Amino acid sequence: DAGVTQSPTHLIKTRGQHVTLRCSPISGHKSVSWYQQVLGQGPQFIFQYYEKEERGRGNFPDRFSARQFPNYSSELNVNALLLGDSALYLCASSNRLAGGKLETQYFGPGTRLLVL
Amino acid sequence: KNQVEQSPQSLIILEGKNCTLQCNYTVSPFSNLRWYKQDTGRGPVSLTIMTFSENTKSNGRYTATLDADTKQSSLHITASQLSDSASYICVVSANAGNNRKLIWGLGTSLAVNP
Repeated sequence: DAGVTQSPTHLIKTRGQHVTLRCSPISGHKSVSWYQQVLGQGPQFIFQYYEKEERGRGNFPDRFSARQFPNYSSELNVNALLLGDSALYLCASSNRLAGGKLETQYFGPGTRLLVL
Repeated sequence: KNQVEQSPQSLIILEGKNCTLQCNYTVSPFSNLRWYKQDTGRGPVSLTIMTFSENTKSNGRYTATLDADTKQSSLHITASQLSDSASYICVVSANAGNNRKLIWGLGTSLAVNP
């Protein structure tokens, strides 16, 4: 079975542009979470979606938005890119709402975004 | 404020040696604590998950402990191998009504040298 997949693997954008990152969870998983990981730091939580509803939001500006589709795949959108948005963007899937007892998140390989 | 602090920030050990990584947290209401291993350029991989009532949990050469009273956890790596070189991240889950919040530590970067 395929694990969590993300696309694209790498992306280069310029300041002010918009970007869309995509994530396909493990088959049967209904929860998708997005994280931003700046080099040398741990992942920072951005969003969690479960059954197509937003169930958690981290401390990120409104330039960041996401949605989950009926097939449970998800998109993360970032508008008006800043240099500081350069990071590894990780997607994680879980069968139920992530963070619950014994609920494991499975991470994808990430999308590395560079903003010039 | 919900926080997870890890120490040391980085660690270098020789192959075959043991090491212990620390995690202190101030998260409420506590649900569970997880340790992840993250290889460079890859997504984190879950090592252990412990709930309030669990004091210790093992996964091969990795053993995690939890003291819910002092809000401390440790990850002990036995007989280290070169492949253990990675970042180890402590994550604490808090209940927030119908939602849950995962608070991530900054990680400990471990280098195992031959």
